[in-house]
Amino acid sequence: DAKTTQPTSMDCAEGRAANLPCNHSTISGNEYVYWYRQIHSQGPQYIIHGLKNNETNEMASLIITEDRKSSTLILPHATLRDTAVYYCIVRPEGTGGFKTIFGAGTRLFVKA
Amino acid sequence: DTAVSQTPKYLVTQMGNDKSIKCEQNLGHDTMYWYKQDSKKFLKIMFSYNNKELIINETVPNRFSPKSPDKAHLNLHINSLELGDSAVYFCASSQAPRAHTEAFFGQGTRLTVV
Repeated sequence: DAKTTQPTSMDCAEGRAANLPCNHSTISGNEYVYWYRQIHSQGPQYIIHGLKNNETNEMASLIITEDRKSSTLILPHATLRDTAVYYCIVRPEGTGGFKTIFGAGTRLFVKA
Repeated sequence: DTAVSQTPKYLVTQMGNDKSIKCEQNLGHDTMYWYKQDSKKFLKIMFSYNNKELIINETVPNRFSPKSPDKAHLNLHINSLELGDSAVYFCASSQAPRAHTEAFFGQGTRLTVV
């Protein structure tokens, strides 16, 4: 079973920041937080990951709370092409990573 | 060049038939996976292979038999297809899981059993 809980769906206006929350209250010390997204009819796509510190790349920012029990994925300027299902995943390093478990994800609708 | 490619993209077949889905990755990864995404859109791990060896088999029926002829290929053969096998099947690859490995997914194979 997935170790994360996410809202079922969210809306965002085009050009605004999309903030997608994720709860992972049972996360262990060696487990990373990963985010993937799946645009309709395509395979999942890696976005970003983090352990303790906040992370930023060309796609998004990841904010992890100090107790690591929750995180937020931020798409700073959402576009229509960001409409997708976003998956927050907790994954251990090492051999536990052979079994990445996807939950139900959050369906993000970006509206013009 | 496509990093992870699956063929065919669509597959329609009758119950009881045997079919195969091919997957190839050109990323030099050690690890490959098969996932199944059913009509409810849940993405479930089926198999993980590392260096051509089976690592994870998530209680998948014996009718499903993955085959890895080399590290770049992981094919999925399905015997005696059933209606419930209808789904989208995704192949993926990654470096062997360490501190950080991102998985690259193929575009999926939509299997319809009639």
